[in-house]
Amino acid sequence: DVKVTQSSRYLVKRTGEKVFLECVQDMDHENMFWYRQDPGLGLRLIYFSYDVKMKEKGDIPEGYSVSREKKERFSLILESASTNQTSMYLCASSPAGPNYGYTFGSGTRLTVV
Amino acid sequence: QKEVEQNSGPLSVPEGAIASLNCTYSDRGSQSFFWYRQYSGKSPELIMSIYSNGDKEDGRFTAQLNKASQYVSLLIRDSQPSDSATYLCAVNIEYGNKLVFGAGTILRVKS
Repeated sequence: DVKVTQSSRYLVKRTGEKVFLECVQDMDHENMFWYRQDPGLGLRLIYFSYDVKMKEKGDIPEGYSVSREKKERFSLILESASTNQTSMYLCASSPAGPNYGYTFGSGTRLTVV
Repeated sequence: QKEVEQNSGPLSVPEGAIASLNCTYSDRGSQSFFWYRQYSGKSPELIMSIYSNGDKEDGRFTAQLNKASQYVSLLIRDSQPSDSATYLCAVNIEYGNKLVFGAGTILRVKS
């Protein structure tokens, strides 16, 4: 069964910490995405990548960066965590091309205190 | 800004009824349309995709697409309490499969 694995289900970090969220897919997908989901705001795209070492800003990239050194792994980095980054973070992947939906990971609920 | 609009609900239907979920989108160039189901505290799960005008059926689910009206819908027949979830509409907006998601419709099926 195809799988997108996010390293942590729940995470609590302190304000100002550097936070790494890891995502690994085993489907050889070209595309990978990071979203955050907040009540009333829906899914918001943070960053995405169509290829190794390639990254593009989404709708809300401020305060975040990403790394894609290998095809299967896409990491989201919070450079200096703030309380307004408390959220559910969802990683997704898909094959290249317009006719494929995303496969989502199980999500990481991050709380910044 | 490309947009996907959904009624937030909640949409309440009795068990066994047909649930009808609707979605409109702004980008006339969109070619691919998806429905996701998301249970509370879980991640979205792809349940239907549709690319051509008309209906596509899969079990109790039917997706309907009308590109001229920029409208896509999801029908759930014989609704069950286990169908209670948030349903997200997603639309492809550019080559490379970047999707824009609607905010979702909450469905409640009452037994």
